[in-house]
Amino acid sequence: SQWGEENLQALSIQEGEDVTMNCSYKTYTTVVHWYRQDSGRGPALIILIRSNEREKRSGRLRATLDTSSQSSSLSITAAQCEDTAVYFCATDYGNEKITFGAGTKLTIKP
Amino acid sequence: EAGVTQSPRYAVLQEGQAVSFWCDPISGHDTLYWYQQPRDQGPQLLVYFRDEAVIDNSQLPSDRFSAVRPKGTNSTLKIQSAKQGDTATYLCASSFWGARAETLYFGSGTRLTVL
Repeated sequence: SQWGEENLQALSIQEGEDVTMNCSYKTYTTVVHWYRQDSGRGPALIILIRSNEREKRSGRLRATLDTSSQSSSLSITAAQCEDTAVYFCATDYGNEKITFGAGTKLTIKP
Repeated sequence: EAGVTQSPRYAVLQEGQAVSFWCDPISGHDTLYWYQQPRDQGPQLLVYFRDEAVIDNSQLPSDRFSAVRPKGTNSTLKIQSAKQGDTATYLCASSFWGARAETLYFGSGTRLTVL
């Protein structure tokens, strides 16, 4: 889980496997962003899920949002080497201040 | 469409020196953010603007950091007297909140090392 952690977590899987990253947030929110950051680059939004969606898909990505447990997850199906990156969850807690979690460093091994 | 442009790409300085970071947001984006990202951590918001106005600078160390966006377009973040603890990547992001787009577009950042 990302929130409340100061340093990023690390996950390493084989190409073709599925992976899920989790994020728990502190207070109620209606939207969770998932960003991906490649080495030497700024984060880029990959999927945004709102509280009325519970689940959202984009290609091999699947995000969930459970407001009752204040948690979100990002799953990648059949991971590929190009999925290697750091993944962050973020939320605005109802205002404009986008707050990021510590991140998960995902490595896909060939 | 051009993305968010930041310069310089890297900066190395001694403690006590000053440094400025420059950001050119995406054209038409009214909101501009500065984040600090220490190594192996998530981005941490320092300050953000709506047009030329500072909306929130509560996380900006005011004794040494300053940020301006005088014409509501480009922005400069300055560290007056850098400390080793300021070593991090400084990221600029922009968005258009008029349509509640909620997507932040980031530049590639300035990697600062304070020796």
